[in-house]
Amino acid sequence: DAGVTQSPTHLIKTRGQQVTLRCSPKSGHDTVSWYQQALGQGPQFIFQYYEEEERQRGNFPDRFSGHQFPNYSSELNVNALLLGDSALYLCASSWGDRVRRSPLHFGNGTRLTVT
Amino acid sequence: AQSVAQPEDQVNVAEGNPLTVKCTYSVSGNPYLFWYVQYPNRGLQFLLKYITGDNLVKGSYGFEAEFNKSQTSFHLKKPSALVSDSALYFCAVRMTAGNKLTFGGGTRVLVKP
Repeated sequence: DAGVTQSPTHLIKTRGQQVTLRCSPKSGHDTVSWYQQALGQGPQFIFQYYEEEERQRGNFPDRFSGHQFPNYSSELNVNALLLGDSALYLCASSWGDRVRRSPLHFGNGTRLTVT
Repeated sequence: AQSVAQPEDQVNVAEGNPLTVKCTYSVSGNPYLFWYVQYPNRGLQFLLKYITGDNLVKGSYGFEAEFNKSQTSFHLKKPSALVSDSALYFCAVRMTAGNKLTFGGGTRVLVKP
């Protein structure tokens, strides 16, 4: 049973560039969310996708956008990269976007370094 | 607004001794509380959750947590720590439906042989 998979594992970009990160949810899951984890901090919620629509959004600028595909996989796009965007980006999946008790399953993350 | 605090940046414990990782929360309403563990260069692994009912919740790998509503706390415990328990532990709260979890800053646990 495949868990949450993310690609790539590591990425180095230059300020001002754009980046796309990818995520495949755990088998049977239909809801995907993205988190940013800066070094030494807890993960911060970016947004959540369900039925190919953004359902919830955290306190992140519009430079952060996403997409969910019919097979439930998802992409996170970040435009005009800043040094402060350097972080571990975590994808999490669950079943049903209204189920509070369902724990999230996390991927191993993509380490983004902006130089 | 909801918030989670983990007052200790690091907890050191000898192998075989009890382990406690502290978490307090601030929310309006009834929270759903979670503990996750993170090993180096890995994502977060779910340990346990409190939804309702018994205040003592048992989870994976011998961990348990005690929900205390009056003290707004959800401390993680393990009766006998292992060296392999050395990792970063996160407490999180979910108030609304959906996938938004609010995490604490994390507590690094170091179990010495």
